[in-house]
Amino acid sequence: QVLLQESGPGLVKPSDTLSLTCNVSGYSISSGFYWGWVRQPPGKGLEWMGSIFRSRNTYYNPSLKGRITMSVDTSKNQISLRLNSVTAADTAVYYCVRDQALGATNWFDPWGQGTLVTVSS
Amino acid sequence: QSVLTQPPSLSGAPGQSVTISCTGSNSNIGAGYDVHWYQQLPGTAPKLLIYANTKRPSGVPDRFSASRSGPSASLAITGLQAEDEGDYFCQSFDSSLSGLRIFGGGTKLTVL
Repeated sequence: QVLLQESGPGLVKPSDTLSLTCNVSGYSISSGFYWGWVRQPPGKGLEWMGSIFRSRNTYYNPSLKGRITMSVDTSKNQISLRLNSVTAADTAVYYCVRDQALGATNWFDPWGQGTLVTVSS
Repeated sequence: QSVLTQPPSLSGAPGQSVTISCTGSNSNIGAGYDVHWYQQLPGTAPKLLIYANTKRPSGVPDRFSASRSGPSASLAITGLQAEDEGDYFCQSFDSSLSGLRIFGGGTKLTVL
């Protein structure tokens, strides 16, 4: 069973960098699949942020305007997310997901339990 | 505003059936990209409900079914149960930018 567990600070100051880590168990991320991040502002819908494949291929949501960086650490079986210059609009629950991309289609399964990040001074 | 349009809310009585629509455009669903559906029960993470338009992952009851036609897709739930109450999201791929994954705005389903 593949399990994803997000971790990181729950509070980030405006203009700072949000950093999260996703620990993957039950599957070696070096074996394949894309891995991604999806966020959900309180009471709102889902927003795909980006997906990464073995540190080689990355796709980012253009709405994040170059603020996002994703990376993979295969030695720790972890995926990381960095989001620069955060504002209150970045307050959300952040989910780590396995992005099961297959050609020109993809779906997200499984999902981590999510971690709430609040941007506030 | 989401690229994929869903009704914000729907309701139904136990035992009844409901259908949730997801309308896209010629750069996503209408271009032939698959549609996937997620269920998010209160206070929990989303869970894959339907993938590749019509396929149910193991463990998903056959009360849930989905279809795709032209630029739209729909999720049907029959025999509504109280535990079906939650939010439902559609998701697809968009060709406007390489690798762009998109979600619908979500539909809140209330079981009366």
